Amino acid sequence: EPEVTQTPSHQVTQMGQEVILRCVPISNHLYFYWYRQILGQKVEFLVSFYNNEISEKSEIFDDQFSVERPDGSNFTLKIRSTKLEDSAMYFCASSEAMTGEETQYFGPGTRLLVL
Amino acid sequence: AQTVTQSQPEMSVQEAETVTLSCTYDTSESDYYLFWYKQPPSRQMILVIRQEAYKQQNATENRFSVNFQKAAKSFSLKISDSQLGDAAMYFCAYKRGLTGTASKLTFGTGTRLQVTL
Repeated sequence: EPEVTQTPSHQVTQMGQEVILRCVPISNHLYFYWYRQILGQKVEFLVSFYNNEISEKSEIFDDQFSVERPDGSNFTLKIRSTKLEDSAMYFCASSEAMTGEETQYFGPGTRLLVL
Repeated sequence: AQTVTQSQPEMSVQEAETVTLSCTYDTSESDYYLFWYKQPPSRQMILVIRQEAYKQQNATENRFSVNFQKAAKSFSLKISDSQLGDAAMYFCAYKRGLTGTASKLTFGTGTRLQVTL
């Protein structure tokens, strides 16, 4: 069964450093998403992406964040200068387009710890 | 803005028994989707069940079923014959039903389900 994959599974970084989180969405999906979950809290939407551009972004997704689809398979989230409060689980998700199938399938997440 | 409320932070059920997790939502949209996701200790988000708002029939998926009350904006999850592997955090989520767009999921705060012997 096709699945969303994410790398790395864990990342530890120093405050102020740049991190890139990588995702490979399900191959025939065209809509991509990033969510984050701070430990013990609910899952929060960051950004959605379609046709090589951002569809929607939340207030959390400020200028420190960016997304990119560098090739036909990867979807990345970059945090330019990490803060302590960026420590969270980051989930990538994907969904089909134009079929009425609205379900978003999630990857296993990347656990980011900023020291 | 749409909101999703899960009023039960924790629930407990005995193995083989039935438990119902509550979820209410607020929206002015007429077309939308509702989901239940399960998050075990591994923290992976696993889809349990989904419901299209235009469908009157409640969705079922093996031991999992929902009670969708559109007028009351209520979407509860019933787990029958509970198993130890059902122990997890359960999140209710809402999505606007704009087909062909990348609309976001809005999550509730979750209900932690404990399954006891």
